[in-house]
Amino acid sequence: GQQVMQIPQYQHVQEGEDFTTYCNSSTTLSNIQWYKQRPGGHPVFLIQLVKSGEVKKQKRLTFQFGEAKKNSSLHITATQTTDVGTYFCAASSNTGNQFYFGTGTSLTVIP
Amino acid sequence: DVKVTQSSRYLVKRTGEKVFLECVQDMDHENMFWYRQDPGLGLRLIYFSYDVKMKEKGDIPEGYSVSREKKERFSLILESASTNQTSMYLCASSRTGGTANEKLFFGSGTQLSVL
Repeated sequence: GQQVMQIPQYQHVQEGEDFTTYCNSSTTLSNIQWYKQRPGGHPVFLIQLVKSGEVKKQKRLTFQFGEAKKNSSLHITATQTTDVGTYFCAASSNTGNQFYFGTGTSLTVIP
Repeated sequence: DVKVTQSSRYLVKRTGEKVFLECVQDMDHENMFWYRQDPGLGLRLIYFSYDVKMKEKGDIPEGYSVSREKKERFSLILESASTNQTSMYLCASSRTGGTANEKLFFGSGTQLSVL
């Protein structure tokens, strides 16, 4: 299946610091989705990006889709303890009808 | 809101047992998926279905089969459970059939332990 690389695997930040996770693919993507999984919970949809160079914001979260549609990032400004969890990207190729998930970035926020 | 219900939160089975994991969604979604989640490996697709009685293999179908007799129900079957199938199993559904541009709604997961 398609490979989607996500880095870093873990990130520990002090509350108030920023956080970024990155997803990269060797092939052009049709779209990319981001999910958040709280500890002990299940993945919950955050957003979908479709257009080349697209940038979307949700309060302190900024999502970007690369110009070549091969990479994406999620940036959190001024992290809070409620941001704790694992963030996954899920990518769909131009020819695919399924999503391939990245390995996830586990975020720990130290109060 | 969409509800995806998995029949068990925790299951403990013995090696060689036949295991059924059930998933039901209540929003008339066409697509249904089974993933397994393992630390450091993310979510890996086992099987998916975009219509009743239709199924397609994902990345890791070996040792698994599925059944979709009704639109709302998607079952994952482990014909002969093995210890390397100990994992968290997540069911998901999405609205549109045959395409990957709809968001996924996940169930709460089933933590399966095979002893």
